[in-house]
Amino acid sequence: GAVVSQHPSWVICKSGTSVKIECRSLDFQATTMFWYRQFPKQSLMLMATSNEGSKATYEQGVEKDKFLINHASLTLSTLTVTSAHPEDSSFYICSASVGWRAFFGQGTRLTVV
Amino acid sequence: QQQVKQSPQSLIVQKGGISIINCAYENTAFDYFPWYQQFPGKGPALLIAIRPDVSEKKEGRFTISFNKSAKQFSLHIMDSQPGDSATYFCAASGGETSGSRLTFGEGTQLTVNP
Repeated sequence: GAVVSQHPSWVICKSGTSVKIECRSLDFQATTMFWYRQFPKQSLMLMATSNEGSKATYEQGVEKDKFLINHASLTLSTLTVTSAHPEDSSFYICSASVGWRAFFGQGTRLTVV
Repeated sequence: QQQVKQSPQSLIVQKGGISIINCAYENTAFDYFPWYQQFPGKGPALLIAIRPDVSEKKEGRFTISFNKSAKQFSLHIMDSQPGDSATYFCAASGGETSGSRLTFGEGTQLTVNP
């Protein structure tokens, strides 16, 4: 299957700082990538849809100025959590689609202290 | 119309038994139904998927049964093993508005006892 690499796997940052998470499709080109957030023992919550070369589409209730998404190439999308606060602590996961099939990265555990 | 309902929330099965997880959807535009397996601290991994033109798909110990008229689909894990203990998510996508965007079920925590 297709491989999606997400980096870093975990990060601890101080409140008020920004954190960037990278999502790469290693062996295929992805015109569309998705960013999810997952709380413990809960399902995945879609945050935004990222299309290469255009602005991301954010889900209702997701602050686009806090969660900056850039999809500069067909193999790379980044999520930047700006001015992070403890309530932003969560598990962030990206996915990339090949046709109808979606493949997920390993996830990034963000802890804001 | 975008919801996917999944049950049970948790499931305990003995080694060698059959694990069955059910999902129901409302949006008739959905035309792709994958199942994902997620271990703690990891991203979901695509397990098996089905399109509505078939009623069943089998891959190894994993089988999807699909009932289009009832708008339901289920995952059967035969000969369940302790290594199958994980959280399983059903999902659905398709249609002009959703495209490849997935709508997930709530998840099922499966525990297989040795």
